[in-house]
Amino acid sequence: GAGVSQSPSNKVTEKGKDVELRCDPISGHTALYWYRQSLGQGLEFLIYFQGNSAPDKSGLPSDRFSAERTGGSVSTLTIQRTQQEDSAVYLCASSLVRSRADTQYFGPGTRLTVL
Amino acid sequence: KQEVTQIPAALSVPEGENLVLNCSFTDSAIYNLQWFRQDPGKGLTSLLLIQSSQREQTSGRLNASLDKSSGRSTLYIAASQPGDSATYLCAVRIAGGGADGLTFGKGTHLIIQP
Repeated sequence: GAGVSQSPSNKVTEKGKDVELRCDPISGHTALYWYRQSLGQGLEFLIYFQGNSAPDKSGLPSDRFSAERTGGSVSTLTIQRTQQEDSAVYLCASSLVRSRADTQYFGPGTRLTVL
Repeated sequence: KQEVTQIPAALSVPEGENLVLNCSFTDSAIYNLQWFRQDPGKGLTSLLLIQSSQREQTSGRLNASLDKSSGRSTLYIAASQPGDSATYLCAVRIAGGGADGLTFGKGTHLIIQP
């Protein structure tokens, strides 16, 4: 079956512009996660959704970052007034249920470059 | 705050060798530990997931062990092949509180020479 998909695969933007990154989880997966992978920093957890709600926003680095999920499926991560330090690969993952024993399945990521 | 460290950061070995990748974590209160593989330009592929109550998991040529009390895990790759070349990431899911994301190490970049 189809895995987690993300779009766009690459995004180049100018400093100060807003960007939207999209994630389509595996059909039927209720849990959805966003991570950021920066050069030299490793993978960082950003936000988690269970259905349409986000009980854990602890990883969002600033108030310029927000995310929403509609219909318990597609999620959008929005970065406002982008800065050069926002350049990274943004990865989305989904899992079947809200269980800490469940495997997370990752998408290919969106590479964001802020000039 | 949970920290995950992977050693070595990079490793290059000839094809056919057995090898061990190491992962350590600072807080032993975890639900599980996962090993992932990441290929260039691609997402992460889950290799093995070990629950906190388990000691090891095996899949084909891969074997992962977990010693929760000492905060260590190893990934053993038998009879390495060039197709095993990738970055291997270790991640833990911490127990308690509201945190539901994984905490990752920075990875081991593995090259298997043909």
